[in-house]
Amino acid sequence: GENVEQHPSTLSVQEGDSAVIKCTYSDSASNYFPWYKQELGKRPQLIIDIRSNVGEKKDQRIAVTLNKTAKHFSLHITETQPEDSAVYFCAASEKYSTLTFGKGTMLLVSP
Amino acid sequence: DTGVSQNPRHKITKRGQNVTFRCDPISEHNRLYWYRQTLGQGPEFLTYFQNEAQLEKSRLLSDRFSAERPKGSFSTLEIQRTEQGDSAMYLCASSLVSGQGSEQYFGPGTRLTVT
Repeated sequence: GENVEQHPSTLSVQEGDSAVIKCTYSDSASNYFPWYKQELGKRPQLIIDIRSNVGEKKDQRIAVTLNKTAKHFSLHITETQPEDSAVYFCAASEKYSTLTFGKGTMLLVSP
Repeated sequence: DTGVSQNPRHKITKRGQNVTFRCDPISEHNRLYWYRQTLGQGPEFLTYFQNEAQLEKSRLLSDRFSAERPKGSFSTLEIQRTEQGDSAMYLCASSLVSGQGSEQYFGPGTRLTVT
């Protein structure tokens, strides 16, 4: 089955800095890669996703890149704000089916 | 509220008791998923339905767990003879499968504590 590794497990940045979270996956058949943000005690919220037919996608301060050859994808957050503080999960799936999640990255943005 | 809803939000039960959780998906979504999340971990897939058909079950889903989606709308997840290791957040998600893909949207979860 699919295995998703996520790094780092914790990330502390100053407000205004950029943050990068990296994930690798094992199943070359995976073709859909979403990212979720989960605040304490709340549901995971889909923030951005990428499909295997594109290499990069941007949405305001958030971007995701995908390297299918190397089987890794990354989340980039620019101009971080304190409200970006949360746990971020990457995930992978084949044929838009069940998601296999990474273990999460706790991002702390200090004012 | 047109998002995914789950009930109850919290459940405390004694070991050996049975519990049942309910999930109401976004109304036009044809797929419904159950995941389990423990502290410090990402959600782990348990099972999913397309309409009323249960299409896949994880190895994590022991025979004490059963899920139904009888009319292709809401779903229930039952755990029989609960064990302390069942304590976790149980998350439901739904999606609309189409040619463009299927983003999964999560409910708020049911937190189960087995004492």
